[in-house]
Amino acid sequence: ETGVTQSPTHLIKTRGQQVTLRCSSQSGHNTVSWYQQALGQGPQFIFQYYREEENGRGNFPPRFSGLQFPNYSSELNVNALELDDSALYLCASSSLGGVFGELFFGEGSRLTVL
Amino acid sequence: KNEVEQSPQNLTAQEGEFITINCSYSVGISALHWLQQHPGGGIVSLFMLSSGKKKHGRLIATINIQEKHSSLHITASHPRDSAVYICAVSSYNTDKLIFGTGTRLQVFP
Repeated sequence: ETGVTQSPTHLIKTRGQQVTLRCSSQSGHNTVSWYQQALGQGPQFIFQYYREEENGRGNFPPRFSGLQFPNYSSELNVNALELDDSALYLCASSSLGGVFGELFFGEGSRLTVL
Repeated sequence: KNEVEQSPQNLTAQEGEFITINCSYSVGISALHWLQQHPGGGIVSLFMLSSGKKKHGRLIATINIQEKHSSLHITASHPRDSAVYICAVSSYNTDKLIFGTGTRLQVFP
């Protein structure tokens, strides 16, 4: 079992609302990446935070935003929710410049937008 | 065309069979990861490869950098191996992962 925890595990929102998802990083890791996984698809990279700064972003609109805190935990915020935002949101903890390849995933937050 | 392609998409096997899942990629990478995803959604990292071959228990992963191809082998498969196996590649500098769509494996007793 990893030290990466995500919350909430499940949530239901309506179109137009806003949501905040949270992720704790593995002890000793300084990098958190967020991924969106639609049903039946592989995860898609949203963005990555390294030492509290955004370090790469995928093809997602600005209403997807993030934050990383000094303890390296992270938040993903999505504004103006759309039906297509329904997905499993995964975070992955790693350590750029550290133990290369050590990568731990959380269990995910399953978001349903009605 | 996806940057990371896996085959087959679905695989069924009888317990004890030898299983191979293939992954091809078209981009420059710093590493390739094999991941396992169970129905609940959580993902576990099985291997990270940048060259050669790695073995862990009944799992073996190989990579050929020149051919941009990797394989995951499961020896003596067991029903508990049933899961989705995902190949993902890391781009340089960011550890950003590009995922394949996964191979759904079902092993029957």
